[in-house]
Amino acid sequence: AQTVTQSQPEMSVQEAETVTLSCTYDTSESDYYLFWYKQPPSRQMILVIRQEAYKQQNATENRFSVNFQKAAKSFSLKISDSQLGDAAMYFCAYRRWGGGADGLTFGKGTHLIIQP
Amino acid sequence: GAVVSQHPSRVICKSGTSVKIECRSLDFQATTMFWYRQFPKQSLMLMATSNEGSKATYEQGVEKDKFLINHASLTLSTLTVTSAHPEDSSFYICSARDLQGRSNQPQHFGDGTRLSIL
Repeated sequence: AQTVTQSQPEMSVQEAETVTLSCTYDTSESDYYLFWYKQPPSRQMILVIRQEAYKQQNATENRFSVNFQKAAKSFSLKISDSQLGDAAMYFCAYRRWGGGADGLTFGKGTHLIIQP
Repeated sequence: GAVVSQHPSRVICKSGTSVKIECRSLDFQATTMFWYRQFPKQSLMLMATSNEGSKATYEQGVEKDKFLINHASLTLSTLTVTSAHPEDSSFYICSARDLQGRSNQPQHFGDGTRLSIL
């Protein structure tokens, strides 16, 4: 079974600074997807960024980028120029390739605090 | 973009009541929908996979007789918590994928249902 580990229960960063959230995972599959979701206090699940494991290039979405290290099974999220609206729970998630009927496996989450 | 609607957003009811939660895909067809449960300050745990026209697939440890799932159409899945008790109080979230087109379509989540059993 796949597992996703987020070792940072809480992170704090000053507004406009950069922060990196860690995520490691365990799988025996060679092809899969990885995701970062944001859950603000409203509890909506918002997709931040996704990465296909077969792609060597790290995904980027504006201020959000990932550092995907497949051999190390590591998938960290970097948020640049942090904004107050970035404050939320962040969940790392895994889904196997071709698993259209598979649900996501989530990590325990990291609570991100933005200091004004 | 694709939207998933979940209703109701909040339910408060007495112990022993059965509660139905609906999950609708509004602008796409979803042969598969997913139900997750989230306890306070914890992660989302997959409860079951809802398959249109067939039985749901439940994760280990989830009571299928307690959490009844029906996926009668390509746009609607329902989760019924039968004879609910205080320990069933939680946040329930559904999601769905538009499986037409690219296989890497992400899951779209509903806004969740906060269930409180008194």
